[in-house]
Amino acid sequence: GQNIDQPTEMTATEGAIVQINCTYQTSGFNGLFWYQQHAGEAPTFLSYNVLDGLEEKGRFSSFLSRSKGYSYLLLKELQMKDSASYLCAPVDSNYQLIWGAGTKLIIKP
Amino acid sequence: ETGVTQTPRHLVMGMTNKKSLKCEQHLGHNAMYWYKQSAKKPLELMFVYNFKEQTENNSVPSRFSPECPNSSHLFLHLHTLQPEDSALYLCASSQGLAGGFTGELFFGEGSRLTVL
Repeated sequence: GQNIDQPTEMTATEGAIVQINCTYQTSGFNGLFWYQQHAGEAPTFLSYNVLDGLEEKGRFSSFLSRSKGYSYLLLKELQMKDSASYLCAPVDSNYQLIWGAGTKLIIKP
Repeated sequence: ETGVTQTPRHLVMGMTNKKSLKCEQHLGHNAMYWYKQSAKKPLELMFVYNFKEQTENNSVPSRFSPECPNSSHLFLHLHTLQPEDSALYLCASSQGLAGGFTGELFFGEGSRLTVL
């Protein structure tokens, strides 16, 4: 079967760094997405990784290891507005996104 | 503003009512999707339309009926729903390349449905 595992909730301090992990098992693999979703709002695209390694985009970076079925999202210089849910979604052999339940990130002053 | 607009944003209906959710995208995409989002659960893909043709129906009960009259509009017709159908219904669109990866999804704000 297909399975996505990410922590349910994480807490971090403003200005700090946090890493949100995601492990996955899918039927085939065609890359992995990370989305951000603020409460009551639409999910918005953060990153897409298809090759192994780290991709940096401003304060946010995303890492992928295909052999380990593992990805993480790294958020630096945390701001209060980063409080949101972060959704991990690998793409299977049918090009369907397989969604995790999301990690709720709480930022404290 | 994601370029995907959903109406209504909130809907309360009884189990015997018939209502519809509407989605419109202004991005020139060819693929449109309905997802169900329940609290603390993964997004559940319900229907996919690619170039106006339904390509995916993930065993959704017949009380949910999709309609895609053109590549910019998508409807979800609702009838005789159950209280457990209460959830956030999200519409999304993407490029919709035939036979392959469709690229990133752009989501609407969602329609919060409550079934009494």
